[in-house]
Amino acid sequence: GENVEQHPSTLSVQEGDSAVIKCTYSDSASNYFPWYKQELGKGPQLIIDIRSNVGEKKDQRIAVTLNKTAKHFSLHITETQPEDSAVYFCAASRDYKLSFGAGTTVTVRA
Amino acid sequence: EAGVVQSPRYKIIEKKQPVAFWCNPISGHNTLYWYLQNLGQGPELLIRYENEEAVDDSQLPKDRFSAERLKGVDSTLKIQPAELGDSAVYLCASSFASGGNNEQFFGPGTRLTVL
Repeated sequence: GENVEQHPSTLSVQEGDSAVIKCTYSDSASNYFPWYKQELGKGPQLIIDIRSNVGEKKDQRIAVTLNKTAKHFSLHITETQPEDSAVYFCAASRDYKLSFGAGTTVTVRA
Repeated sequence: EAGVVQSPRYKIIEKKQPVAFWCNPISGHNTLYWYLQNLGQGPELLIRYENEEAVDDSQLPKDRFSAERLKGVDSTLKIQPAELGDSAVYLCASSFASGGNNEQFFGPGTRLTVL
């Protein structure tokens, strides 16, 4: 099955700085890569996703890049704000089945 | 529009007792998923329903776990008997369809503690 590795496990950044989270996947047939944000006591919420026919996607302060050859994808958050503090999960999917990374706890210091 | 609703939000039981979790998906979503999330880990799929049919239950520990979605809307996940290792958050998600990687919307989860 699919194996997704996510790094780093924790990330502390100064408000206004950028945050980068990296993931690798094992199944070359995976074609959908969503990123979820999970706040304490809540379920994961989709923040951005990318499909295998696209190399980069941006939505305001959030961007995701995908390198299919190397089988890795990354989340970039620019101009971080305190409300960006949360656990972020990457996932990889072929068809419907999401395989999640272990998560990155992001702390934005004011 | 209401999101995925789950209840209870928290449940504390003693080992060997039964427990059930309930999920109401987003209206119009015919695909429903149950996930298990252990502390410090990402969610792991337990079972997926297309309408009332369980189309993927390969990760469901069938000796003690069962699930149903009788009318293709609400779903119940049951554990009987519960073990200490079952302590986790149980997440329900729904999507409009499963093919083509449609966005999965998650509920807040039920946090189970087995003593």
